[in-house]
Amino acid sequence: DIQMTQTPSSLSASVGDRVTITCRASQNIDNDLNWYQQQPGKAPNLLIHAAATLQSGVPSRFSGSGSGTDFTLTISSLQPEDFATYYCQQSYNTPRTFGQGTKVEIK
Amino acid sequence: EVQLVESGGDLVQPGRSLALSCAASGFNFQDYAMHWVRQAPGKGLEWVSGLTWNSGRVDYADSVQGRFTISRDNAKNSLYLQMNSLRTEDTALYYCVRDRAAAGHDSFDMWGRGTMVTVSS
Repeated sequence: DIQMTQTPSSLSASVGDRVTITCRASQNIDNDLNWYQQQPGKAPNLLIHAAATLQSGVPSRFSGSGSGTDFTLTISSLQPEDFATYYCQQSYNTPRTFGQGTKVEIK
Repeated sequence: EVQLVESGGDLVQPGRSLALSCAASGFNFQDYAMHWVRQAPGKGLEWVSGLTWNSGRVDYADSVQGRFTISRDNAKNSLYLQMNSLRTEDTALYYCVRDRAAAGHDSFDMWGRGTMVTVSS
């Protein structure tokens, strides 16, 4: 199975901050990497697919980059509604593994 | 309205069975692969099982292989998960999820609200 490792596990930031979350795959997954946001008590929501393609309706302050084994999710200017947990996931093969999550909290 | 609505979650004893259902509406259900993803209380996301648009390929996580069976009925716009020999570690919120692709090698672009399964004596 492909292991997905996110760093950090949690972070504290202020509104307006630039935030970066990293995801590393245990083997090459090309660009088959997706990012999800989960707000408390809600289902996850797709933010970015294919490493860098913004899902329709997602604000442009979210961006993704990377290929192979190393990937990044960036929030250019953190907004109050962005305080949530973020997960990466590989769609390269089965099982479709997720990272352990990164909780973004208010500083 | 475009949505996925899960049902069937319950409190069950270890070793018993439970069947989950997911009703899809507002889109062409037969054009998409579908999956079940679960989340134990306070934990992260775990992919459980998935199948292609025509059920031609079916996959399971090792943790449920041989105990769970996924299926779909495109005529009824429905996805199912039959769970047998339930264990306490199967306790989780189970999400019905749509894949962006029919063949099932893409991201998950639609999620239901989930149905809670609790396995306890």
